[in-house]
Amino acid sequence: AQSVTQLDSHVSVSEGTPVLLRCNYSSSYSPSLFWYVQHPNKGLQLLLKYTSAATLVKGINGFEAEFKKSETSFHLTKPSAHMSDAAEYFCVVAFNQAGTALIFGKGTTLSVSS
Amino acid sequence: DVKVTQSSRYLVKRTGEKVFLECVQDMDHENMFWYRQDPGLGLRLIYFSYDVKMKEKGDIPEGYSVSREKKERFSLILESASTNQTSMYLCASSDRLEVTFGSGTRLTVV
Repeated sequence: AQSVTQLDSHVSVSEGTPVLLRCNYSSSYSPSLFWYVQHPNKGLQLLLKYTSAATLVKGINGFEAEFKKSETSFHLTKPSAHMSDAAEYFCVVAFNQAGTALIFGKGTTLSVSS
Repeated sequence: DVKVTQSSRYLVKRTGEKVFLECVQDMDHENMFWYRQDPGLGLRLIYFSYDVKMKEKGDIPEGYSVSREKKERFSLILESASTNQTSMYLCASSDRLEVTFGSGTRLTVV
């Protein structure tokens, strides 16, 4: 069965320290993978996506993610957290090319303290 | 940029009312989706549509129906609103792997 697991429901970091948000997936195919961010009372904004090109994907606002097929992981990282990064982050997997079979992780809330 | 517009940001409705949530996209996308978002449960798919007048049930279709009479518009209908349908509702549209979300409608059923 296809599934997506975000391993942490809540991550807290200090401003200026690295961010790591973890995502694992289960699939018998090679899926496409996405990270979305949702700020309070806003819709979801695409941070980055992997669609079978380079395994290290760079996104907006200094975020990047690495697709590791052997580990079935797509962890999101940022070298230095900013206060404005505080939000909820969703790992999303698309199991078909039409983009109609999307599975969302349950989300990770990132808190950033000064 | 693709825009997905949800007609209402906040709605308060009474139990038993018929509720319409409207969503319009402006980029000729084939696919449109309705999700509900609840704390601790993430996003759950209610219905999606891959063409005009075509629809598919998602994970939690009970108590909901949808309408897609025109390509750009996808409506979610709560036939008889109940308090357990209080939630944030998100519309999205996609063209293959480009998925864009609306800002959401926060519905409260009292």
